Amino acid sequence: EIVLTQSPGTLSLSPGERATLSCRASQSVTSTYLAWYQQKPGQAPRFLIYGASSRATGIPDRFSGSGSGTDFTLTISRLEPEDFAVYYCQQYGSSPGTFGQGTKVEIK
Amino acid sequence: QVHLVQSGAEVKKPGASVKISCKASGYTFTSYAMHWVRQAPGQRLEWMGWINAGNGNTKYSQKFQGRVTITRDTSASTVYMELSGLRSEDTAVYYCATDAVTTLAYYFDYWGQGTPVTVSS
Repeated sequence: EIVLTQSPGTLSLSPGERATLSCRASQSVTSTYLAWYQQKPGQAPRFLIYGASSRATGIPDRFSGSGSGTDFTLTISRLEPEDFAVYYCQQYGSSPGTFGQGTKVEIK
Repeated sequence: QVHLVQSGAEVKKPGASVKISCKASGYTFTSYAMHWVRQAPGQRLEWMGWINAGNGNTKYSQKFQGRVTITRDTSASTVYMELSGLRSEDTAVYYCATDAVTTLAYYFDYWGQGTPVTVSS
């Protein structure tokens, strides 16, 4: 199965700053079948991005995704207070779909 | 508005089974597959399996094959996930989640609130 490794483990930033999160796959992800989710403590994940770069319905345009092959990035252009959370990538091109271990974006 | 409401927390002994429900509303239940994903403490999210809510077909992760059964009741717009032979490593929060597209894409747009399951003697 494809192993996804996210970096950094924790990102300490201030509101208004830019966040860049990385997701690296152990082998090439089929057809950019990569999604991103946001999770806050005690809540279910929230769907953000699919197809590596397409935003889900209702997701603000400060969230953007990019990448292909084995290297993918989630960028939050200007952090809002509600964006501090854990972010997970998921590949769904190869069965079973697998998730990364998460990157925590915390307030500096 | 889509809502997935799961049953409450469970505490089970090793070797027992647990059955969790997920009641869906706000969309055509039979049009979208329902997946189950779990999150053990400190671990990454883990996909367990899915059910075609229309015809009842299922597919399970090889890791859980033989221990997990996903069923649905279309009259109640409810999906069930039963996990047997519980062990301490099955302690986790279990989520149901809808597939994002009708043709099955394996990414998940709506999630239930999660059901904590604790396995302890």
